[in-house]
Amino acid sequence: ELKVEQNPLFLSMQEGKNYTIYCNYSTTSDRLYWYRQDPGKSLESLFVLLSNGAVKQEGRLMASLDTKARLSTLHITAAVHDLSATYFCAVYLKGAQKLVFGQGTRLTINP
Amino acid sequence: DAGVIQSPRHEVTEMGQEVTLRCKPISGHDYLFWYRQTMMRGLELLIYFNNNVPIDDSGMPEDRFSAKMPNASFSTLKIQPSEPRDSAVYFCASSFHRGETEAFFGQGTRLTVV
Repeated sequence: ELKVEQNPLFLSMQEGKNYTIYCNYSTTSDRLYWYRQDPGKSLESLFVLLSNGAVKQEGRLMASLDTKARLSTLHITAAVHDLSATYFCAVYLKGAQKLVFGQGTRLTINP
Repeated sequence: DAGVIQSPRHEVTEMGQEVTLRCKPISGHDYLFWYRQTMMRGLELLIYFNNNVPIDDSGMPEDRFSAKMPNASFSTLKIQPSEPRDSAVYFCASSFHRGETEAFFGQGTRLTVV
């Protein structure tokens, strides 16, 4: 059974700082997705990572995938308040054709 | 396209009543998913369809839950009878070529069973 674990689960940080959210998964997969969810809202797709070594960047967010280590990271550079949200990683389990989500990381950025 | 459309946005019902949640996927998408989100269990995949055919319903919690997709533009998730522990946000999502592209989520239905 595929397990997807994010850490930290809660993160409070100051504006302007850098930080990284980690997503570890237990079974081989070469497809990983990052989503953002604002309180009371739906999930918004941020990044699609489809191969080992894939790196995607959008604004202050950068995501990477290491399939050998079964690890993806979401790096936040010079955080701003607007990035406060819950971030989910989701791993695609090819055999079962399932997308399994991590627990989510609730990010709060303080002025 | 307006995205994935779910209705209702909020539903409050009494225990024992039947509840039907509705979803219209993005036109052209051939996969449709139903997820449930709770604080305790996070995001759980309940069932998914490919070309209107249910492929995996192993996440459906029990026989009180059923889902249908009569055509490419409409799906329902039904709970009968509903129980307080069914209270959650239910999301519908759709995608094209599952795994090849990301799934796009609807706004969700917040269900409260009292």
